[in-house]
Amino acid sequence: QQPVQSPQAVILREGEDAVINCSSSKALYSVHWYRQKHGEAPVFLMILLKGGEQKGHDKISASFNEKKQQSSLYLTASQLSYSGTYFCGTEMLGYALNFGKGTSLLVTP
Amino acid sequence: EAGVVQSPRYKIIEKKQPVAFWCNPISGHNTLYWYLQNLGQGPELLIRYENEEAVDDSQLPKDRFSAERLKGVDSTLKIQPAELGDSAVYLCASSLGGTGGEQYFGPGTRLTVT
Repeated sequence: QQPVQSPQAVILREGEDAVINCSSSKALYSVHWYRQKHGEAPVFLMILLKGGEQKGHDKISASFNEKKQQSSLYLTASQLSYSGTYFCGTEMLGYALNFGKGTSLLVTP
Repeated sequence: EAGVVQSPRYKIIEKKQPVAFWCNPISGHNTLYWYLQNLGQGPELLIRYENEEAVDDSQLPKDRFSAERLKGVDSTLKIQPAELGDSAVYLCASSLGGTGGEQYFGPGTRLTVT
């Protein structure tokens, strides 16, 4: 079952913050986040495992609420390099990842 | 460390022709995935290998698509015959294996069927 991402697109000015949400109707084992720039391969950002942990590196962090089967990706003090399409991939135990349709993020100067 | 290698990067063929894509995963990665990505969409799994065994091929259109992973390393995905609707980017990814592991994607092959 494909997870639902919101918003579909967002435009930010450099330095502003953004939140991207990912939700599933199924009980999840993990949530993966990837960023893809135009014409390039998706690049792994982070995994959140069942347990409600929060992770982060640099100014990008994420949380996973297993009660609600929702994950959120937080981008703080956005940089031009953050532009791209962000995909969440949801994983049920024993099954392959299901990717959402993506959220297009554009950071402008 | 070298990443996932795919070739060719671009391919243009006429409908009804065959086409093949090649993938070399990251060394030591037991799990290999083939995805299809349409414009504006997320990757969709076609087939997943654990070593040489195809453990999930439920989304592979077996009437025209085939895949193999000989010796548990490189993999080839073939389409025969290609249809106009097969135009897409074909991504290969690999991971160490097991549940919850990060996947590393190759640059993909952009297929255009005319």
